[in-house]
Amino acid sequence: GQQLNQSPQSMFIQEGEDVSMNCTSSSIFNTWLWYKQDPGEGPVLLIALYKAGELTSNGRLTAQFGTTRKDSFLNISASIPSDVGIYFCAGQSNDYKLSFGAGTTVTVRA
Amino acid sequence: GAVVSQHPSWVICKSGTSVKIECRSLDFQATTMFWYRQFPKQSLMLMATSNEGSKATYEQGVEKDKFLINHASLTLSTLTVTSAHPEDSSFYICSRDRGLREQFFGPGTRLTVL
Repeated sequence: GQQLNQSPQSMFIQEGEDVSMNCTSSSIFNTWLWYKQDPGEGPVLLIALYKAGELTSNGRLTAQFGTTRKDSFLNISASIPSDVGIYFCAGQSNDYKLSFGAGTTVTVRA
Repeated sequence: GAVVSQHPSWVICKSGTSVKIECRSLDFQATTMFWYRQFPKQSLMLMATSNEGSKATYEQGVEKDKFLINHASLTLSTLTVTSAHPEDSSFYICSRDRGLREQFFGPGTRLTVL
């Protein structure tokens, strides 16, 4: 599959700050998924989005499925040390396969 | 709790040997499972789709004779890396879907080929 354009590549933030990252694609997707991966582990699903324009929250996480179906963003509010990790967006196409972004590495300064 | 398990979590082998990695769906019968490979500091790349009771479908550029996939039951898919070489060293991760929408990933297997 294709690789999605995910930005920023990395970010250093202060504890308590809000974090934003986004993904864009040249293709339309039916589903957008956001995952977090800790070192040496598999990705863990954070949020799933199924409809264009959908805005979904999971605790301090909020994500939106872009209206063009070619983009999505993820916000993390009031970051805490355990938010450290790599965040991946993934788009699911008609054949149910996932295409991933390159990842955003988040480092939190206490 | 975890819905997908993998075994082993890490393996070191000599060049030329074969390695089998197991992926189990713990809470759901999965007719479809997926295998990914992830190199250090890179994203996940889909290798193949494992189909219960039929042949796996491989992504372009993935050698089916090198990466043998067997999906013998609704809860188990295996990936065998045949005649492994150092360039096959990677993090191998499987996933299963839920209704072909969300995908849940296993914890991964770190393969190091000496």
